[in-house]
Amino acid sequence: SQQGEEDPQALSIQEGENATMNCSYKTSINNLQWYRQNSGRGLVHLILIRSNEREKHSGRLRVTLDTSKKSSSLLITASRAADTASYFCATAPTQGGSEKLVFGKGMKLTVNP
Amino acid sequence: NAGVTQTPKFQVLKTGQSMTLQCAQDMNHEYMSWYRQDPGMGLRLIHYSVGAGITDQGEVPNGYNVSRSTTEDFPLRLLSAAPSQTSVYFCASSYSTSGGAYEQFFGPGTRLTVL
Repeated sequence: SQQGEEDPQALSIQEGENATMNCSYKTSINNLQWYRQNSGRGLVHLILIRSNEREKHSGRLRVTLDTSKKSSSLLITASRAADTASYFCATAPTQGGSEKLVFGKGMKLTVNP
Repeated sequence: NAGVTQTPKFQVLKTGQSMTLQCAQDMNHEYMSWYRQDPGMGLRLIHYSVGAGITDQGEVPNGYNVSRSTTEDFPLRLLSAAPSQTSVYFCASSYSTSGGAYEQFFGPGTRLTVL
C-alpha cells in the first residue's frame, strides 16, 4: 500500500517561480527519494536523503526531511517549462528491506512559459 | 550502456490470452522489480528479485509470474490476461549504494490494454 502522499496533487506556476512539493509518510524509513516522470516516460531518480540527514541540495533542487513529523519537501527553484512533469516521493522502509521502495501517488507540476 | 530496456512498448491482448513482458538491464544490478502504474494510484510493486534465482512477491502479485535466471533479465508473465490488468508496466533495476540505499533506474514502460 502507498506510504508516501504528495501534496498538493497538482501545482501550476509561472516560469521562474519556485515550486514546493510535500510528502508525508507513515512508517520508519531508511531514506526517502524523489523521482520525476515526464509524460509517457519512465521515472528518473532526482535525489535521495537519508534518515539521518535534514537537508540536501542538488542543482536547483532542495530536499528537506523531518523524521519527527514523517514528512519531506522538494523545492525546485527558478522553475523552467522543462520541469513540467509528475513528481513522486518514494520511501525505503526500515522494515521489509530498503530495496523495496514504496511510491506515493505523485503530483503533477505544470510550469507555464 | 542501454540501461533498462523493455519490450514491447505497446500491447493489446484479449481476455484470457497470456504473454511475457521482457525486461533487461546491462548495469549488473542485483535488484530488479516490476511495477504497474494506474491513474491516480501511483506505482505498485508486483514482483521483485534480489538476485539471479531469487524472486518474491510485492503488493499486487496475483495474475503475474516472474523468474530470474540471469542477472540481466527479469521477464514478467501474464498467465491469463484480464481487463483489470490494463495498465502501464515499468521494470526497474537498482544496486546498493553506500549505506544500503537503493536508487532505482526505470525502463520506458509497456502500455498494455486487455480487451
